[in-house]
Amino acid sequence: DILMTQSPSALSASVGDRVTITCRASHGISDSLAWFQQKPGKVPQRLIYMASNLHTGVPSRFSGSGTGTEFALTISSLQPEDFATYYCLQHNTFPWTFGQGTTVEI
Amino acid sequence: EVQLVQSGAEVKKPGESLKISCKGSGYRFTNYWIGWVRQMPGEALEWMGIIYPDDSEIRYSPSFRGQVIISADKSISTAYLQWNSVKASDTAIYYCASPIGVPGTFFWGQGTLVTVSS
Repeated sequence: DILMTQSPSALSASVGDRVTITCRASHGISDSLAWFQQKPGKVPQRLIYMASNLHTGVPSRFSGSGTGTEFALTISSLQPEDFATYYCLQHNTFPWTFGQGTTVEI
Repeated sequence: EVQLVQSGAEVKKPGESLKISCKGSGYRFTNYWIGWVRQMPGEALEWMGIIYPDDSEIRYSPSFRGQVIISADKSISTAYLQWNSVKASDTAIYYCASPIGVPGTFFWGQGTLVTVSS
């Protein structure tokens, strides 16, 4: 199985901060990586597909990068509504696997 | 409009059987893998397994193989997640999710809360 190591597991930040979350795959996954945002009690919302493509309607302060085994999600200027938990998902190789999540808190 | 609509919340006793569903609409159901994701209370998302409805090829994540059964009925565009005997540790929200259309574009169901308690 491909292990997705996401870091950090939690971070404290302030409005306006630049935040970067990373996911490392145990084996190469090309660019088959998605990023999701989940708020408490809500369905995960898609942010990024194929490592670096922003879904329609997602604010441009979110960006994704990487290929192969190293990936990053960056929020350029944190907004109050961005405090949430973020997950990466590799869908290159079965079984698909999530990172363990990063909680962004104040 | 693409939609994945899941069945409603369930409350079960340990040892009971359970089957929850996820109905796809607005796209060609048979053409896309559809999977199940578990989220235990306060915990991370876990990918359980996935099925290709056209030929019912199934891939289970190792932690869930033998614990659940994934199936699909392509005639009614519905995927299922089934337990023969639920345990308290199966208490969780279960989501269906599918990459539909543009590669890597995941759509999600609204989630089904399963509570197992004596």
